[in-house]
Amino acid sequence: AAGVIQSPRHLIKEKRETATLKCYPIPRHDTVYWYQQGPGQDPQFLISFYEKMQSDKGSIPDRFSAQQFSDYHSELNMSSLELGDSALYFCASSLGGPGGRQFFGPGTRLTVL
Amino acid sequence: DAKTTQPNSMESNEEEPVHLPCNHSTISGTDYIHWYRQLPSQGPEYVIHGLTSNVNNRMASLAIAEDRKSSTLILHRATLRDAAVYYCIPSGTYKYIFGTGTRLKVLA
Repeated sequence: AAGVIQSPRHLIKEKRETATLKCYPIPRHDTVYWYQQGPGQDPQFLISFYEKMQSDKGSIPDRFSAQQFSDYHSELNMSSLELGDSALYFCASSLGGPGGRQFFGPGTRLTVL
Repeated sequence: DAKTTQPNSMESNEEEPVHLPCNHSTISGTDYIHWYRQLPSQGPEYVIHGLTSNVNNRMASLAIAEDRKSSTLILHRATLRDAAVYYCIPSGTYKYIFGTGTRLKVLA
């Protein structure tokens, strides 16, 4: 069965650079969630989209922005990267509104040097 | 956002049942109770969810208190592959707050 695809899987950036993470949801899934998980920490909800509209926002820094495109894939844009942005970024997708079972991707490991 | 309280860690012997409790006394009436787990070096994985009635699936059972202020995830026969951090997440929206979870250790 198709799963959530995230690219790239690994990314190394310098401080103050920008990064773009991509998420391709399971086909026909209309909802995408983004999470950040720092080393030894629990996943932190960043933002979610339903039918290409932002639906909820969590602890997402102003330096980050995200959107969901017409084909339902989503991108998380991160600017002015800081050392503290080094983390695993998970994307999850679900179908049919809030409360739907989320399927998580393998994550993108971002390292900021 | 509903606050949750879970034990930091629990241990179980292999092949024995495990009851993982979660307190969510500030849950709102429209929040479902979701349980996810995260195995080492993997992304979170859905376990089960429910609203008011107890729920069963092939992975686990979810027992929800009548007042909905607490719930218990039941693994009927723990295996070594069940060793993970288990999170209970009340949510009725597109916002899921992972708390600190319970780290389950399964002893062979």
